[in-house]
Amino acid sequence: QKEVEQNSGPLSVPEGAIASLNCTYSDRVSQSFFWYRQYSGKSPELIMSIYSNGDKEDGRFTAQLNKASQYVSLLIRDSQPSDSATYLCAVKGTGGFKTIFGAGTRLFVKA
Amino acid sequence: GAGVSQTPSNKVTEKGKYVELRCDPISGHTALYWYRQSLGQGPEFLIYFQGTGAADDSGLPNDRFFAVRPEGSVSTLKIQRTERGDSAVYLCASSSGQSRLDEQYFGPGTRLTVT
Repeated sequence: QKEVEQNSGPLSVPEGAIASLNCTYSDRVSQSFFWYRQYSGKSPELIMSIYSNGDKEDGRFTAQLNKASQYVSLLIRDSQPSDSATYLCAVKGTGGFKTIFGAGTRLFVKA
Repeated sequence: GAGVSQTPSNKVTEKGKYVELRCDPISGHTALYWYRQSLGQGPEFLIYFQGTGAADDSGLPNDRFFAVRPEGSVSTLKIQRTERGDSAVYLCASSSGQSRLDEQYFGPGTRLTVT
């Protein structure tokens, strides 16, 4: 079992729709969770971070965390073609700062 | 302010050669991370520095890889006797190292190609 799992996609949504990206993690004591966006040929760019159960909203983005289910998701409202990228889920555990990334989900937003 | 910078942006070397990759973190960031990313994969953790010391080097694949951060700012990742399997994008990230979230900000990466 991978430590951080994401559906590789591609996930295709029409412009204006809600894109839902999911991530599960294996280490039950993980504490901090991050979503990064990565355009082709570029480095990851931080979108959201969350450490408490529940929802955290920032503009069109909402991160959702459920520690009991070991599940974190990212919702993108009013998806735009410019949102087309790979979205990486990252998890940080206790006792240090080592961060584990998933392989990413490719998102396509169709105009 | 300036973000994380990495040099060189591209490096082509022959198998068996030695390479050094440099990372200059965001000013004031005490934590610095090195990752390696292969095509279609997420970044793979290599090493984490808090200040000058390597707090966690559990991701270094073998003893050919070594990293230093002598003054707590710029870091150098050193790879000896390079192998074709070392070809990847090497990413550096920095963070304040002081919060529970510890949000990391990435540099543009160095693409290493071993021929």
